[in-house]
Amino acid sequence: AQTVTQSQPEMSVQEAETVTLSCTYDTSESDYYLFWYKQPPSRQMILVIRQEAYKQQNATENRFSVNFQKAAKSFSLKISDSQLGDAAMYFCAYLNYGGSQGNLIFGKGTKLSVKP
Amino acid sequence: DAGVIQSPRHEVTEMGQEVTLRCKPISGHDYLFWYRQTMMRGLELLIYFNNNVPIDDSGMPEDRFSAKMPNASFSTLKIQPSEPRDSAVYFCASSLGQRGTGELFFGEGSRLTVL
Repeated sequence: AQTVTQSQPEMSVQEAETVTLSCTYDTSESDYYLFWYKQPPSRQMILVIRQEAYKQQNATENRFSVNFQKAAKSFSLKISDSQLGDAAMYFCAYLNYGGSQGNLIFGKGTKLSVKP
Repeated sequence: DAGVIQSPRHEVTEMGQEVTLRCKPISGHDYLFWYRQTMMRGLELLIYFNNNVPIDDSGMPEDRFSAKMPNASFSTLKIQPSEPRDSAVYFCASSLGQRGTGELFFGEGSRLTVL
């Protein structure tokens, strides 16, 4: 069974600095998706970034980028130029390619605080 | 286009009462999911539907929980009778399934407090 582990329950970053959130996963599959979701205090989960396992190039969305290391089964999220609005819970998630949507597996989350 | 709409946003009830949570998925999405979020257990998948048909309800805690999807635009999650340990935030999410990118679109959640 696949698992997703986020080893940092809480992280803190100074405004305008860079922070990296860690995520590791375990799977025997070769084709899958990985996601980072953001959950602000308003509670609604929002997709931040998505990576297909067959793509070697790391995904980037503005200030958000990932470091995808397939062999190491690592998928970290880097937030550059952190802003106060980045403060939220961040969840890493895994989905088998072609698998049932119900197989989206979430990590426990990392709470990110941004200091002004 | 409207996102996933959930109601109520907050619900406070007493132990033993029936609770009904509602969800309207994004139009055109063929998958609908119910998740429960607590501090202790994180995000747990309770049940999901594909084309209105329940596919996997193995995450439903017990018989007190039931979910229905009578049509493509509406789903309910019912707890009867409710207990204090059911207190949590319940999320509904929808997606395009195999035709999509894997992304789930979440509602704002329903915070349930059972006294």
